[in-house]
Amino acid sequence: NAGVTQTPKFQVLKTGQSMTLQCAQDMNHEYMSWYRQDPGMGLRLIHYSVGAGITDQGEVPNGYNVSRSTTEDFPLRLLSAAPSQTSVYFCASSRGTSGTYNEQFFGPGTRLTVL
Amino acid sequence: RKEVEQDPGPFNVPEGATVAFNCTYSNSASQSFFWYRQDCRKEPKLLMSVYSSGNEDGRFTAQLNRASQYISLLIRDSKLSDSATYLCVVSLLYSSASKIIFGSGTRLSIRP
Repeated sequence: NAGVTQTPKFQVLKTGQSMTLQCAQDMNHEYMSWYRQDPGMGLRLIHYSVGAGITDQGEVPNGYNVSRSTTEDFPLRLLSAAPSQTSVYFCASSRGTSGTYNEQFFGPGTRLTVL
Repeated sequence: RKEVEQDPGPFNVPEGATVAFNCTYSNSASQSFFWYRQDCRKEPKLLMSVYSSGNEDGRFTAQLNRASQYISLLIRDSKLSDSATYLCVVSLLYSSASKIIFGSGTRLSIRP
């Protein structure tokens, strides 16, 4: 099993550009989520999905879109990049949403810089 | 007030020492508790879940105090390889799924 994979590993964008961060998991997990991690602020939830076709907003959704057409894939789209979106982005998946099923498996992250 | 608060450290201790971290949470409805470990420029990985009765995994012991709303992590006989950031994680039932909240992390550095 590859676990959770993310591409690209690094990305530099100019303000106003759009792009999609890819995330895929091969563990048949229903629950997937996107976080951003900034120094001193911990991981903050952007969007999450409890299954194919279902998505919802997290703590910091503005400027991002997601879709979940399959169980495996959960791409994150930046609509019009801003310097405030410079961060490390992690995709995560879990079997479920309660108890130990909550264990989050993370991808290796995408380091995004917006100039 | 942050929902999950941790001392950011860094904790700098010699190899072989015992070190303890605390983490406080604000929502008394919190249901599940975890410690994750994150190495520099890597993704977080689950270290251990925290159970009501406390639990141990080798050199690591986790405790939960619901009355005071904190969890703790104790590392005995620390190794150089324990150097990392330790994230406190709390989950509570929210809307259609659990809300999972990460603390900012406590940095630990073990010196030879």
